Order: sequence, then structure tokens, then C-alpha cells
Amino acid sequence: DGGITQSPKYLFRKEGQNVTLSCEQNLNHDAMYWYRQDPGQGLRLIYYSQIVNDFQKGDIAEGYSVSREKKESFPLTVTSAQKNPTAFYLCASSLEGPDTGELFFGEGSRLTVL
Amino acid sequence: KNEVEQSPQNLTAQEGEFITINCSYSVGISALHWLQQHPGGGIVSLFMLSSGKKKHGRLIATINIQEKHSSLHITASHPRDSAVYICAAVLSGNTPLVFGKGTRLSVIA
Repeated sequence: DGGITQSPKYLFRKEGQNVTLSCEQNLNHDAMYWYRQDPGQGLRLIYYSQIVNDFQKGDIAEGYSVSREKKESFPLTVTSAQKNPTAFYLCASSLEGPDTGELFFGEGSRLTVL
Repeated sequence: KNEVEQSPQNLTAQEGEFITINCSYSVGISALHWLQQHPGGGIVSLFMLSSGKKKHGRLIATINIQEKHSSLHITASHPRDSAVYICAAVLSGNTPLVFGKGTRLSVIA
């Protein structure tokens, strides 16, 4: 079955450590997105990529980095520069842009900084 | 001010009730998505609309582009419909989505 796989589901990090969240899709989608969700707030865009080897910053990119070396993979690194990284992170994909059809989401990764 | 507003924020209904969740936006859009987020956090896409109405099972979504408003209706609600429902607008062209804050629905048996 086609879909998006995020890992890990839960992650604990000490302050000052970088962590990388994995996002893999086998839907042959060009566009992939990373969102952050905090309690009581809507999803906020961190980074998005519409094609391999290209990505753009979203609204809250500071303290995060991404790569898109392969079509199916879009990992997110939460760096030590991110001031408040404890949050729920969601990866999503669409065939092309967000108005071209259905969005597919991973199950999310919950990051807690100790 | 968020460009996409949802109402109500929270909704409690008895099983079998007809439910309406509203989404309004302040700018022109090319499409709007309705999403369902389960208690575990996973999100499922329900509809993408650019005009008119779509129906899938007990779910109906409508959009009025001129009035900048969309609604999600659930007929014969059931406890398994309990979730957070989120609308997300594509403002224009290929720009990323703008999300509403979601409506938390609880359906009581």
C-alpha cells in the first residue's frame, strides 16, 4: 500500500542535541512538506519541497534544516538553534502543488526536549 | 489575525445529530481542503474543493467562493466521528496551505 512513513513516533532529546526526523513516501509525489503542531494552534509550515534537490523555507524555518536528495525522502533536522523544539511534527505529500489533489500525511513524530 | 477561521472551536453532539463545521477565509483562494485528525495525531484528507459540493458517505463539504466560506456537514453522527476537523486553504497558485486551528468534535453515544 502506498503512503507516508514517519519515524520515530516518539523522540526524546537533551538540550543542545540535533535530531533528525525521517519521512519516506512511496506515492511518487513531487511535493513534500514538514509541519509543526503545537497545542491550540493550527499547523505551521517549516519547509517544503516541490522537486528533488530543491526546497523552500516556510513560516517557521529557523532552527530547522532539510534535504531532498531523493524523491521519496524528505528528512527534517531539528538543530540546537531551535529555541522551543518540543512539538508534534507532521510530514505530508501531494502529487504536485497543494491544489492538485489529495494530501497524504504521516502519523507524526512527537519530539520532547528534556 | 489568521487568514482562515473555523467555528466552533469545540463541539459536543449526541449520536445521530446533524453536525456543521464552518470555515471562512479572508483572501482569495484556489482550493480548500478538509482534514480529519484522529486522537493519536494522524491526519486523513477528507475533501479538496474548488467549487460546489462533494459527498462521501455521511460527509458533505460545500464551498461558496464568492462568500469566502466552506462548511463540512456530518449526517447521522457517530462516536467514531470524534476527531479534530481542520480546514486548509490554498491561497493562490502553488503557494503552501494556510490552516485553520481546527474544530474538536466529540460525539456522545
